[in-house]
Amino acid sequence: DQQVKQNSPSLSVQEGRISILNCDYTNSMFDYFLWYKKYPAEGPTFLISISSIKDKNEDGRFTVFLNKSAKHLSLHIVPSQPGDSAVYFCAASADKLVFGAGTILRVKS
Amino acid sequence: DTGVSQNPRHKITKRGQNVTFRCDPISEHNRLYWYRQTLGQGPEFLTYFQNEAQLEKSRLLSDRFSAERPKGSFSTLEIQRTEQGDSAMYLCASSLAGGIVHEQYFGPGTRLTVT
Repeated sequence: DQQVKQNSPSLSVQEGRISILNCDYTNSMFDYFLWYKKYPAEGPTFLISISSIKDKNEDGRFTVFLNKSAKHLSLHIVPSQPGDSAVYFCAASADKLVFGAGTILRVKS
Repeated sequence: DTGVSQNPRHKITKRGQNVTFRCDPISEHNRLYWYRQTLGQGPEFLTYFQNEAQLEKSRLLSDRFSAERPKGSFSTLEIQRTEQGDSAMYLCASSLAGGIVHEQYFGPGTRLTVT
């Protein structure tokens, strides 16, 4: 069973606009949520996280929103830059990380 | 370099052969994780260590897989009698227990191809 789902396999955005990546989860026991970014031939790189007791966390151009009642989180990137083009993985943790399948973000210049 | 390193980066082997991968975590990290990633999927948890103790193993880790972390530093992942279904990217990550344990730092992975 897929406990963490990223339903959009890919997303294309114009440079300077907002990128919104979405993630849904099913396990109410998850207490921490993370986003990782992955470039080809590299391992995933930690980007930003949020505890289940919060509903928003911001770090520069990146903001993660958590809606616990809907079991939904999203990552906003504003403004999007071509260097943001990568695969983005949503992950959730109770005691170990459970990853979604990833969303390929392409930022067009 | 203070990142997680993995060797080899690529491994091609014939079905039935044994392979071993190595992971060197960030030096002060006492937790070490192994994941497997197949095409179009996110990393899937295999096992993790805290220091030298293997604390959890996924049901994905069949009897052909064994992982060790003998001195609480580097770790090895061995796959015996490889099968074509073992072809995947094997990722290692490390974190600091007692810190924000969820923030794991990944190595570049070892890509295994079983022919």
